[in-house]
Amino acid sequence: DADVTQTPRNRITKTGKRIMLECSQTKGHDRMYWYRQDPGLGLRLIYYSFDVKDINKGEISDGYSVSRQAQAKFSLSLESAIPNQTALYFCATSDWAGTGEVADTQYFGPGTRLTVL
Amino acid sequence: AQTVTQSQPEMSVQEAETVTLSCTYDTSENNYYLFWYKQPPSRQMILVIRQEAYKQQNATENRFSVNFQKAAKSFSLKISDSQLGDTAMYFCAFMKKRWDDMRFGAGTRLTVKP
Repeated sequence: DADVTQTPRNRITKTGKRIMLECSQTKGHDRMYWYRQDPGLGLRLIYYSFDVKDINKGEISDGYSVSRQAQAKFSLSLESAIPNQTALYFCATSDWAGTGEVADTQYFGPGTRLTVL
Repeated sequence: AQTVTQSQPEMSVQEAETVTLSCTYDTSENNYYLFWYKQPPSRQMILVIRQEAYKQQNATENRFSVNFQKAAKSFSLKISDSQLGDTAMYFCAFMKKRWDDMRFGAGTRLTVKP
């Protein structure tokens, strides 16, 4: 079974609709992230969460909101979808070492392809 | 703000040959981490290799190795004995130490030809 799962894998919706993308992980990691991937731009961070009580905006948070329902679940919402939010969305997790010099790696889910018509 | 530049949008290599993908970054930080991720057609993001800036030794993972030039802010990926399964988008990424905002380059599309 995959360590980081995302649902749905693909979604087509219309302008103005509310959309929720869900992410679950079984890695036991504290930190979770939402990224957006657009052609020619790489991945950009939307929101990230250190734990259930901690939510932080990333580089491109406008038009998005998130909810950390539990350590293992992190949802991304588009309250009123618009066409320029058409993109591939990735969830990722990491488990910060906390001390020492090593930063743990971010592990990615399989992605959700969202199309807003 | 940190920026990551991958100047080669597309590259190709013959199977069994060696190829090098380029990455440069801009930062005023001294402690940070660099990554190469691979994204095959399945679109899964897969970690290829990681480098810690305070380490002078270049990281290696089997056929994958990096040339990390801290002063030049360069972080290239060398793939030896290229295989058809190496065909993918490759992303270079930068992250400051004790910070979670990872910055990605725009990617290089690598095609391995039989």
